[in-house]
Amino acid sequence: SYELTQPPSVSVSPGQTASITCSGHKLGEKYVCWYQQTPGQSPVLVIYQDTTRPSGIPERFSGSNSGNTATLTISGTQAMDEADYYCQAWDSSTAVFGGGTKLTVL
Amino acid sequence: QVQLVQSGAEVKKPGASVKVSCKVSGYTLTELSMHWVRQAPGKGLEWMGGFDPEDDETIYAQKLQGRLTMTEDTSTDTAYMELSSLTSEDTAVYYCATDEAGSGSYYTDWGQGTLVTVSS
Repeated sequence: SYELTQPPSVSVSPGQTASITCSGHKLGEKYVCWYQQTPGQSPVLVIYQDTTRPSGIPERFSGSNSGNTATLTISGTQAMDEADYYCQAWDSSTAVFGGGTKLTVL
Repeated sequence: QVQLVQSGAEVKKPGASVKVSCKVSGYTLTELSMHWVRQAPGKGLEWMGGFDPEDDETIYAQKLQGRLTMTEDTSTDTAYMELSSLTSEDTAVYYCATDEAGSGSYYTDWGQGTLVTVSS
C-alpha cells in the first residue's frame, strides 16, 4: 500500500520559516493537500492541489510538490501556527494521510 | 458554507456495532461527496471511505471492507457511518468531511468529531 512519510517533529523560532516535508513514491505525479490540527479540534485544510490556499488561509502558508517530496512552508511563523500538520494524497482510489508532523514554535 | 453536525459520543462493547450520523446544512447532501476519517487517541488521521463522484460509487479503505457501511438519507441531508465487529482498536474520534466544490479529493469542511470508545 502507498505510504506518505513525514518527520515526527519540526521546531522553528517565531518569525522564521518552517518547512514540513512529505515523501512518497512519485508523489510529484499526484496532488497533495495539507491539514492543520490543533489539540481537540477538527483538521483545517491549509493547502490543496499542491499549492492552492483555501479562502481565509494566511498567505504565509505555501506548498510545493516535485519528485518524491511535497513541502509545506510557513513563512514568518507565528505562535498560533503551532499544531500538527498532515499531508494527504490519493493512490488507487484510496486517500492516504502522512503520519503527521508536530510543529513547535519556540 | 457547509456545516456538518455529528451525533454524540458512544461507548460500545467489543463485537458490537456503532452508527454515527452527520447532518448537513448549507448545502444538500446530493451536492457533496461525503467522506469519513478517524483518529485514534494520540495518533494520526486515517481515511475510512467516501463517495467517489467520478465513478458514482462509495469506496472503502481496504482494511475496513466488510465491516464498514456508509449510507445517506437525502430526505434529511444526513450521512451515516456504521462500523461493525468493533474491537479496542476502533476506539477513535470519527469525523465526517467534505468539500463544497464536490471534488471528493480534499476536505474543506469537517464535522466536530464523534468519540467512539470500545471497552468491555
